[in-house]
Amino acid sequence: AQSVTQLGSHVSVSEGALVLLRCNYSSSVPPYLFWYVQYPNQGLQLLLKYTSAATLVKGINGFEAEFKKSETSFHLTKPSAHMSDAAEYFCAVRGAGNKLTFGGGTRVLVKP
Amino acid sequence: NAGVTQTPKFQVLKTGQSMTLQCAQDMNHEYMSWYRQDPGMGLRLIHYSVGAGITDQGEVPNGYNVSRSTTEDFPLRLLSAAPSQTSVYFCASQDATYEQYFGPGTRLTVT
Repeated sequence: AQSVTQLGSHVSVSEGALVLLRCNYSSSVPPYLFWYVQYPNQGLQLLLKYTSAATLVKGINGFEAEFKKSETSFHLTKPSAHMSDAAEYFCAVRGAGNKLTFGGGTRVLVKP
Repeated sequence: NAGVTQTPKFQVLKTGQSMTLQCAQDMNHEYMSWYRQDPGMGLRLIHYSVGAGITDQGEVPNGYNVSRSTTEDFPLRLLSAAPSQTSVYFCASQDATYEQYFGPGTRLTVT
């Protein structure tokens, strides 16, 4: 069985500061890992994905994530937060049966 | 190319009523799934399908039925709505790299 843990249900950052969202996973098969973003009253859209190629993955809107197998982590970062980054972020892992399992989400608040 | 579409966007039901949430995709993806989203719980898988005629249960299937008669369509049926089914429902289709494409969601309230 697979699982995803996102540390912190809410994160507050100042505009221009580093954004760091933590994700740890467990999977019984080689993982494919994803970060999705959800803006208010919208569906989820893909930020980036790890599919067993490069361990440092770059996504849209300046986000990137690093796959660390030894730590079973896939943390999401952005060097400089923008007001438009205010949203909820979900980490997900593809596990057995090709099903995606999602973490509980982290809501990001950006302060001016 | 519309991607994944869902109807309706909003729905209010009374306890005991039934309804069908519609989902369609135009990307020719074999894999489709239904999730419900509740605060603090992320997305939980209700049912999924790996192709026309094949469906299976996810994490929270009770009270929901699905069918998959075509590759494009994957409707979700609530048989007898309960207040515990108040939620936001998302349909998704998945490509060969396991990336999922989500519809805009249906916000359901059961009174």
